Amino acid sequence: QLQLQESGPGLVKPSETLSLTCTVSGGSISSNSYYWGWIRQPPGKGLEWIGTIYFNGNTFYNPSLESRVTISRDTSKNQFFLRLASVTAADTAVYYCARRYYGVGFQIWGQGTMVTVSS
Amino acid sequence: DIQMTQSPSSLSASVGDRVTITCRASQGISGWLAWYQQKPEEAPKSLIYAASTLESGVPSRFSGSGSGTDFTLTISSLQPEDFATYYCQQYSSYPATFGGGTKVQI
Repeated sequence: QLQLQESGPGLVKPSETLSLTCTVSGGSISSNSYYWGWIRQPPGKGLEWIGTIYFNGNTFYNPSLESRVTISRDTSKNQFFLRLASVTAADTAVYYCARRYYGVGFQIWGQGTMVTVSS
Repeated sequence: DIQMTQSPSSLSASVGDRVTITCRASQGISGWLAWYQQKPEEAPKSLIYAASTLESGVPSRFSGSGSGTDFTLTISSLQPEDFATYYCQQYSSYPATFGGGTKVQI
């Protein structure tokens, strides 16, 4: 059974870089046709798509964050990563990783990890 | 970007009620729409993809319909475990965008 687990610091200082890892078990991130995404949710608010990395390594980002976001992967560890630079309090949110594939929405989600931006 | 507008933003209902939530896209997205259910302190759960295809294990009281710009999520007979917030999401084109959510409460 596929499982995703987010990990990383729960507190990041303003202007620094937020770095999160999504560890995938029960399936390979290199498996054909699957897409691996990051989504966030500020406290009490709705969901925002951050970006996606495809099975072949191609990446797509939300234009609203594109200048600050990098999504990468380590296929040997079956992990993919989120880096968000120059964070502010507005980046405080629960960050989720999730999997989807062509024609389907985000079917499988991690439990989420809360990241607070504060000095 | 494609804007997704959900209505209502919240609704009050009782067990056994039929509940309908609508989602409108700012431009046509064919059937590339998903619905999610989120309970407090939990990750979203996928209910429906391709506008009307139920995810495995999702009760048949949930159904989705629509195409183009107008979509509907219907719960035919609301159960206690259905009180939650529901989101639509388009994946027709990047950036993927979500509706603002509909909170279903007693």
